[in-house]
Amino acid sequence: QSALTQPASVSGSPGQSITISCTGTSSDVGGYNYVSWYQQHPGKAPKLMIYEVSNRPSGVPDRFSGSKSGNTASLTISGLQAEDEADYYCSSYTSSSTVVFGGGTKLTVL
Amino acid sequence: EVQLVESGGGLIQPGGSLRLSCAASGFTVSSNYMSWVRQAPGKGLEWVSVIYSGGSTYYADSVKGRFTISRDNSKNTLYLQMNSLRAEDTAVYYCARDFHMDVWGQGTTVTVSS
Repeated sequence: QSALTQPASVSGSPGQSITISCTGTSSDVGGYNYVSWYQQHPGKAPKLMIYEVSNRPSGVPDRFSGSKSGNTASLTISGLQAEDEADYYCSSYTSSSTVVFGGGTKLTVL
Repeated sequence: EVQLVESGGGLIQPGGSLRLSCAASGFTVSSNYMSWVRQAPGKGLEWVSVIYSGGSTYYADSVKGRFTISRDNSKNTLYLQMNSLRAEDTAVYYCARDFHMDVWGQGTTVTVSS
């Protein structure tokens, strides 16, 4: 199972919006609405930010939103804040009943 | 409070075995989809294995035939038995709850080296 494709890095200034893409295949991202996004700060465990493409767990700010088109899912963070600087990973359920992660994207808040 | 606490990591020689534990509190392991995810030093997240509430298990190709996921309902604990360990298995191992991995443990470090 090949990892989902994410950009290695993205950056934005405070208050701006950024979007991180996550590209897979029809056997994972495109085939199921089971895409999740995780935020990971250095030395910490990952934190669920989005599940089932566009749902936010309680406690996650509504600045975080998710969407999907075809084989590509996207995470958008609006109104960037300094504390959003972290690594972000997407994941998807697959046709093999497994899960595949993206390679991760480092978000820098300028 | 819902919590997961991993243990059992350490330094092990190539070819050796190790069993990781993930003790849960605040919810019932057997009623949930439970996963193991690992992260090699400086690398991204890699899904390792899952056990469904019904008992079905699935593994990443990289660990299939070497790792076994299981649970002890009486102890409300998830396990990962790791055999024939290789250098590339060196990582922080996390357990996570539910299909969406909404709760994660703090991780336990496994180092495979001679």
